Amino acid sequence: EAQVTQNPRYLITVTGKKLTVTCSQNMNHEYMSWYRQDPGLGLRQIYYSMNVEVTDKGDVPEGYKVSRKEKRNFPLILESPSPNQTSLYFCASSLSLTARQYFGPGTRLTVT
Amino acid sequence: GENVEQHPSTLSVQEGDSAVIKCTYSDSASNYFPWYKQELGKRPQLIIDIRSNVGEKKDQRIAVTLNKTAKHFSLHITETQPEDSAVYFCAATYRENYGQNFVFGPGTRLSVLP
Repeated sequence: EAQVTQNPRYLITVTGKKLTVTCSQNMNHEYMSWYRQDPGLGLRQIYYSMNVEVTDKGDVPEGYKVSRKEKRNFPLILESPSPNQTSLYFCASSLSLTARQYFGPGTRLTVT
Repeated sequence: GENVEQHPSTLSVQEGDSAVIKCTYSDSASNYFPWYKQELGKRPQLIIDIRSNVGEKKDQRIAVTLNKTAKHFSLHITETQPEDSAVYFCAATYRENYGQNFVFGPGTRLSVLP
């Protein structure tokens, strides 16, 4: 089944404790992206990747890192999480920039 | 980066009526305009998209129109049903220094009242 998976789905952590949210797709998509969703602010892009080893900042990259060592995986790293990073995070992938994006189920992160 | 504006932010319609959501963009090179629907507690899903070489596209009760001159595109939902209640996001591609990227509008919460 074609899908985008994210783990974990829910995470409560404390300020400063490094964490990684994994994202994996099985559709051989080149374009992958991370978004955060906050009430009233829509989907804001954090980082995106056009292909393996090609990543770039989106609109709200501060406090986040990503890597794209394999085509299928695009992990999101928070080296030192802060409470303002409490949000709902979505990973998405598509065959190209101008193709349908498939979203993962979301990861709800709470930083206390 | 690029800014996509979306109006209205909330919309309530009676079941069976039509709903229209409008988005505007600023990059004249934008060439792809999708619409996503997000039901409560779920992930966004594509419902329809349009490319810059097409003026209108329909899929059953939903349609999208594009006006490149005015730089706006609209989602039209006819004969609305309760299951159309959701948040709708428009999006557009835009140019960056060395390529293209993608940005979403802030969303429209549609409520279909029985």
